[in-house]
Amino acid sequence: QEQLVQSGSELKRPGASVKISCKASGYTFTKYTIHWVRQAPGQRLEWMGKIKTNTGDPTSAQDFTGRFVFSLDTSVATTYLHISDLKPDDTAIYYCTRPGSGIWGQGTMVSVSS
Amino acid sequence: QAVVTQEPSLTVSPGGTVTLTCGSSTGAVTSSHYPYWFQQMPGQAPRTLIYDTTYKHFWTPARFSGSLLGGKAALTISRAQVEDEAHYYCLLSYDGTRWVFGGGTRLTVL
Repeated sequence: QEQLVQSGSELKRPGASVKISCKASGYTFTKYTIHWVRQAPGQRLEWMGKIKTNTGDPTSAQDFTGRFVFSLDTSVATTYLHISDLKPDDTAIYYCTRPGSGIWGQGTMVSVSS
Repeated sequence: QAVVTQEPSLTVSPGGTVTLTCGSSTGAVTSSHYPYWFQQMPGQAPRTLIYDTTYKHFWTPARFSGSLLGGKAALTISRAQVEDEAHYYCLLSYDGTRWVFGGGTRLTVL
């Protein structure tokens, strides 16, 4: 079946970087745009951006430019979210999703603490 | 960036009907915003209930319906059940490029 499987939880120090993966299976990878969503503990969902999987063209929300980079590797049907210069406020669950198809990754918890 | 507004909390009685709304700071919500509705249970990933204003997935219970109402997107739950207690989020598209979530509605069934 169609699914998105994300990489595991991460614990990082402030200032470090993290790269979260989202592997697609069960469908043609380049057919659908992948969106990324952040949810800080006890907080609302935030749309971070998306990446067109046929062109690699990324679009970021206003609050997620600079330190947040979306990329992909079509050879392994995987999209990535790279976050640099991590801050404690980046502590959250990060989801990849094809919202229109109702497919969500299981989420990746990133904890940033000294 | 646009601000998408939802009722922070609502309460419905079991068997009752409740309508959640989703407004935009830029003006009326239309079908061109492709409104989505998501349900999120504690500790779980969101689940897409409604997309493109009114369309349901096969897993969406029939008692959930989406619409446009008074310049807003709306999610109506008819014959609410205890298991419908959750957070509900709407998502709107702006020019098909950027998307914005609402603040979420905490629905209590009591």
